[in-house]
Amino acid sequence: GAVVSQHPSWVICKSGTSVKIECRSLDFQATTMFWYRQFPKQSLMLMATSNEGSKATYEQGVEKDKFLINHASLTLSTLTVTSAHPEDSSFYICSARAAGSQFLDTQYFGPGTRLTVL
Amino acid sequence: AQKITQTQPGMFVQEKEAVTLDCTYDTSDQSYGLFWYKQPSSGEMIFLIYQGSYDEQNATEGRYSLNFQKARKSANLVISASQLGDSAMYFCAMREDSFQKLVFGTGTRLLVSP
Repeated sequence: GAVVSQHPSWVICKSGTSVKIECRSLDFQATTMFWYRQFPKQSLMLMATSNEGSKATYEQGVEKDKFLINHASLTLSTLTVTSAHPEDSSFYICSARAAGSQFLDTQYFGPGTRLTVL
Repeated sequence: AQKITQTQPGMFVQEKEAVTLDCTYDTSDQSYGLFWYKQPSSGEMIFLIYQGSYDEQNATEGRYSLNFQKARKSANLVISASQLGDSAMYFCAMREDSFQKLVFGTGTRLLVSP
């Protein structure tokens, strides 16, 4: 099956610093990537949809200036949490939808990144 | 209104038995897709099975099958011959053609006992 990687798998940072999370599709081209956030024992909440070469579309309530998303190529999207605070601590998961699979629209997920802000 | 409802927060099953995880959905779209994902303690979301709204046959993938009842708007996941490694969170999700993004249910935690 399609493989999506995320880096880093976990990160601990001080309050006020910025953290970048990478999401890569390893064996397919992803025209669209998605970023989710998951709090403990809760479901996944979509933060934003990222299309290659264009600006990301953010869900209601998600601060676009705080969660910067860049999708510069068909295999890489990045999420930067700027000026992180303890309330940003969460599990961040990306997913990628393969080009040409619009009908099936299976999203393949990365392994997630656990962010802890001290 | 909830788009995806999973009413079972937790389920227990003995090894080698079958288990059904419930999922109901709400949409006015004619074209949509239903998905099940497994999330073990490692956190990764593993795609299990897909059912399209126009598919007449129930989807099957190995030990997983989807009991799709369109009129009742339900898409239950059936796991046959449960294994210890099946213990995980299971999420039902829907993609509506009009919205083009996945909406997840709250999940069901499955525990398989020896």
